[in-house]
Amino acid sequence: AQTVTQSQPEMSVQEAETVTLSCTYDTSESNYYLFWYKQPPSRQMILVIRQEAYKQQNATENRFSVNFQKAAKSFSLKISDSQLGDTAMYFCAFMKGSSGNTPLVFGKGTRLSVIA
Amino acid sequence: DTAVSQTPKYLVTQMGNDKSIKCEQNLGHDTMYWYKQDSKKFLKIMFSYNNKELIINETVPNRFSPKSPDKAHLNLHINSLELGDSAVYFCASSQARYEQYFGPGTRLTVT
Repeated sequence: AQTVTQSQPEMSVQEAETVTLSCTYDTSESNYYLFWYKQPPSRQMILVIRQEAYKQQNATENRFSVNFQKAAKSFSLKISDSQLGDTAMYFCAFMKGSSGNTPLVFGKGTRLSVIA
Repeated sequence: DTAVSQTPKYLVTQMGNDKSIKCEQNLGHDTMYWYKQDSKKFLKIMFSYNNKELIINETVPNRFSPKSPDKAHLNLHINSLELGDSAVYFCASSQARYEQYFGPGTRLTVT
């Protein structure tokens, strides 16, 4: 079974600064996908970024980038130029890729507060 | 147009009642899911359907019964509601190896 661990229950960052959220996972699968989802107070789950395990290049989406270390099974999220609207719960998630559509396995989340 | 919609968004009911939550997606996706988010914000899969067929049923009490009348709809019926069923229930959909799109969630409160 796959597990996802987010070791930082809460973090805070000053507006315009950079913050990194940690995520590690455990799996014996060779083909999989990793995601970061954001859940603001509205409770809507919003995809932030996605990484295919077979790609060595780290994914980036505007101010969001990941540091994917496959051997270490680590998948951290870096948010640059933090904005007040980034305040939210952030969930790291794992999906097996070998059998098509499979459920996401989530970490317990990191609550990020961006301070003005 | 809303991609994944759920009704109702809020549901308050008493112990012992039966209730349903409905989910619809207009993305043409083959697979739909129900997730439960508990009071500590932990998200866990409950059910997964592919082309109206149940493919994953995690350890969920049999008071929970999903139904998929067609590929675009996945409903969740809960019998004999208990206090511990209070949670946010999310519907999601996906199409082969791509990200899952979530509905807005239904906050269920059992009193």
